[in-house]
Amino acid sequence: QVQLAESGGGVVQSGRSLRLSCVVSGFTFSSYGMHWVRQAPGKGLEWVTFIWFDGSKQYYAESVKGRFTVSRDDSKNTLYLQMDGLRAEDTAVYYCARGRLARSHFDYWGQGTLVTVSS
Amino acid sequence: EIVMTQSPATLSVSPGERLTLSCRASQSVSINLAWYQQKPGQAPRLLIYGASTRATGIPDRFSGSGSGTEFTLTISSLQSEDFGVYYCQQFNSWPPWTFGQGTKVEIK
Repeated sequence: QVQLAESGGGVVQSGRSLRLSCVVSGFTFSSYGMHWVRQAPGKGLEWVTFIWFDGSKQYYAESVKGRFTVSRDDSKNTLYLQMDGLRAEDTAVYYCARGRLARSHFDYWGQGTLVTVSS
Repeated sequence: EIVMTQSPATLSVSPGERLTLSCRASQSVSINLAWYQQKPGQAPRLLIYGASTRATGIPDRFSGSGSGTEFTLTISSLQSEDFGVYYCQQFNSWPPWTFGQGTKVEIK
């Protein structure tokens, strides 16, 4: 069955960096686009970034553009989110989610990993 | 950016009742709309995509309708396990992919 598992969250000081990972199984990773979505404590869902199935294109929310970088390693079935210059407002649970195409719903989600940015 | 607006913010409903949640898009998204359910401490779960197609394993008491800018999610007979927050999301025009602010469903 399809599974997505995030890791790498934790407490980090403002201005520092963190890298999240999302290991997937149960499907052909290289055939799917992938998203990161975050949820601040007690708030709604906010899309963060999307990477095409072949890694050729990436899109970012304005709130993270220039600070976050999405990448993928198909040989490891792993999606990454490099987060630099972290701010207090980046504190959230970060979910990876599968979206076959850009114009697709998000059909499977990981359980999330919590990132807390302290000032 | 397409803004998604959901109403109401909160609903308190008794088991067995029919429930209708609304979602409005600031411009047409055709039928490129999904609904998700999220329970406390859990990841969102896909319920409906393409405005009206139930995802795998979703009970038929859940149904979606609409196109363009107006959408609804209906739960025909609310069960106790249906509590949580429901989000609509458009994937017609991107980036960004945008979510509504959510409707919280409470069980009376």
